[in-house]
Amino acid sequence: AQKITQTQPGMFVQEKEAVTLDCTYDTSDPSYGLFWYKQPSSGEMIFLIYQGSYDQQNATEGRYSLNFQKARKSANLVISASQLGDSAMYFCAMRAFYNQGGKLIFGQGTELSVKP
Amino acid sequence: EPEVTQTPSHQVTQMGQEVILRCVPISNHLYFYWYRQILGQKVEFLVSFYNNEISEKSEIFDDQFSVERPDGSNFTLKIRSTKLEDSAMYFCAIKQGATSNQPQHFGDGTRLSIL
Repeated sequence: AQKITQTQPGMFVQEKEAVTLDCTYDTSDPSYGLFWYKQPSSGEMIFLIYQGSYDQQNATEGRYSLNFQKARKSANLVISASQLGDSAMYFCAMRAFYNQGGKLIFGQGTELSVKP
Repeated sequence: EPEVTQTPSHQVTQMGQEVILRCVPISNHLYFYWYRQILGQKVEFLVSFYNNEISEKSEIFDDQFSVERPDGSNFTLKIRSTKLEDSAMYFCAIKQGATSNQPQHFGDGTRLSIL
């Protein structure tokens, strides 16, 4: 069975500083993908970044980067130069590639608050 | 502009009634999903839909639930005989192709409140 664990229910960061949101996962599938989504207080789910299990390099997307450590089964999200608009819930999710449909399994989420 | 539109944005229904939640993608997509998020909890998978049939469903998706794509564009989730515990945000998600790195794009959700 697949499982995503986000151990930080809440995080605070000062504006313009970097912050790391932790995500560990458990799966027996050899091929999988890891995703991060942002959920602002308005409720929508916004895709941020993707990392494939066989990708050699850590994914980056603007101010977002993924610290992927396959042996440790962790996929931490790093947000650089935090902005007030980054305040939101952040969800880590995983998808196994054993079937093409590929449901997402989500973690509990981390609530990030950016302080001015 | 979101890739998928959900209607209604908020639905209030009496317990025992049936509700239909709708999802309209703006372009052709192959894969459709429904997820739900009970207030303050994580997002949970309900069902995936590919090639006009269910490809996978969770334990939550029992006989009370059904999905269909009646006219080739709208994708609907029907909840029969609603219960108080069905109150949640329901998200439709879509994925355009089979490539493994393609993310699922979520609609803005329908907040369902059962009274």
